[in-house]
Amino acid sequence: DAGITQSPRHKVTETGTPVTLRCHQTENHRYMYWYRQDPGHGLRLIHYSYGVKDTDKGEVSDGYSVSRSKTEDFLLTLESATSSQTSVYFCASGQAIENTEAFFGQGTRLTVV
Amino acid sequence: ILNVEQSPQSLHVQEGDSTNFTCSFPSSNFYALHWYRWETAKSPEALFVMTLNGDEKKKGRISATLNTKEGYSYLYIKGSQPEDSATYLCACHNAGNNRKLIWGLGTSLAVNP
Repeated sequence: DAGITQSPRHKVTETGTPVTLRCHQTENHRYMYWYRQDPGHGLRLIHYSYGVKDTDKGEVSDGYSVSRSKTEDFLLTLESATSSQTSVYFCASGQAIENTEAFFGQGTRLTVV
Repeated sequence: ILNVEQSPQSLHVQEGDSTNFTCSFPSSNFYALHWYRWETAKSPEALFVMTLNGDEKKKGRISATLNTKEGYSYLYIKGSQPEDSATYLCACHNAGNNRKLIWGLGTSLAVNP
């Protein structure tokens, strides 16, 4: 199994507070992705990275920022958490996402109260 | 924005039945089609990545075909077992979406013993 871990696995936070989720991979994958998964929706891309310091927005990026200072780490920050950001967040990584598989972390369940 | 559609949304079969699902995607500027298996409380795991029209891939009792000209892929499970119960996701990579996979909503399979 690819070594990709997310932390924390569960978090409850209050509206208006900043939250950072961490994704760590040990495969030296170039591409890393943050998705959110909500009932009735497929996996929706928040942000992705195609290299150190190279990031771009996905389809649901409002209210989120990311950073990638090292190949192995991809951080997702909710700048001021809202209840609509209650979700399950998945990180994924891959070497060449066009024609190779993506490897997923275990997910982080975030509840904003 | 691409639309990747999967059908049926859910499926209940008896142990031993064979079954198949469909993934439809825009055929223009196609790069790759991914199939993933997602068990409850786990993270998605890749089954197949297919790139060429006419591709057929097989892993045990699960196989997949790809038709890039008409924009569809079939996933087949032969002799379903209760452990095959999961959501099966497909995702498409297309030149118009840069480095992003667009995900379908999945087909939820329940195999009754």
